[in-house]
Amino acid sequence: EDKVVQSPLSLVVHEGDTVTLNCSYEVTNFRSLLWYKQEKKAPTFLFMLTSSGIEKKSGRLSSILDKKELFSILNITATQTGDSAVYLCAVCPGSQGNLIFGKGTKLSVKP
Amino acid sequence: DAGVIQSPRHEVTEMGQEVTLRCKPISGHNSLFWYRQTMMRGLELLIYFNNNVPIDDSGMPEDRFSAKMPNASFSTLKIQPSEPRDSAVYFCASSSGTSGGTGGETQYFGPGTRLLVL
Repeated sequence: EDKVVQSPLSLVVHEGDTVTLNCSYEVTNFRSLLWYKQEKKAPTFLFMLTSSGIEKKSGRLSSILDKKELFSILNITATQTGDSAVYLCAVCPGSQGNLIFGKGTKLSVKP
Repeated sequence: DAGVIQSPRHEVTEMGQEVTLRCKPISGHNSLFWYRQTMMRGLELLIYFNNNVPIDDSGMPEDRFSAKMPNASFSTLKIQPSEPRDSAVYFCASSSGTSGGTGGETQYFGPGTRLLVL
């Protein structure tokens, strides 16, 4: 059965800290891995990763994929209170475009 | 582009009533997905369509749930009869289609319908 596991489930840090969120997966036919940020509303797209070792970066956020070890990490440096959200990892397991989501990591950034 | 549009945004109903949720995908997208999100179970895929055809409905909880996509710009998710355990946020998402690392698998979510069944 295809699955995506995220850790930790919840994380509390202070502004300025650096955090690393983890996502491991088991799928029969990996196509890509995506990260989403969900605040109070709908998930919003952050990154899509398809190749191992190539870092995707957007401001203070970055992500990298390891297809050999079947995991990805999402890094956030110099965290701000606005980074508080649930971060979702999803894997596309086939050619139809469906995604399998992990349960998310809830990040709380305290001032 | 207006993004994915869902209606209603909030629905409160009584157990046993029929509930219909509506979704308009992003124009030009040919894949549409219905999700349900709860605190306990996270984000669950219910059903998805490619080119208006249901591809996988294995996530639909039971026969009380049904979904249709009569054309490329409209889909409905119906619950009949509704039960309190159906209370959740229901998201619709769309993407431009097949994957393969081209970005077509990136899904864009609507604002969701918050359903409360009393």
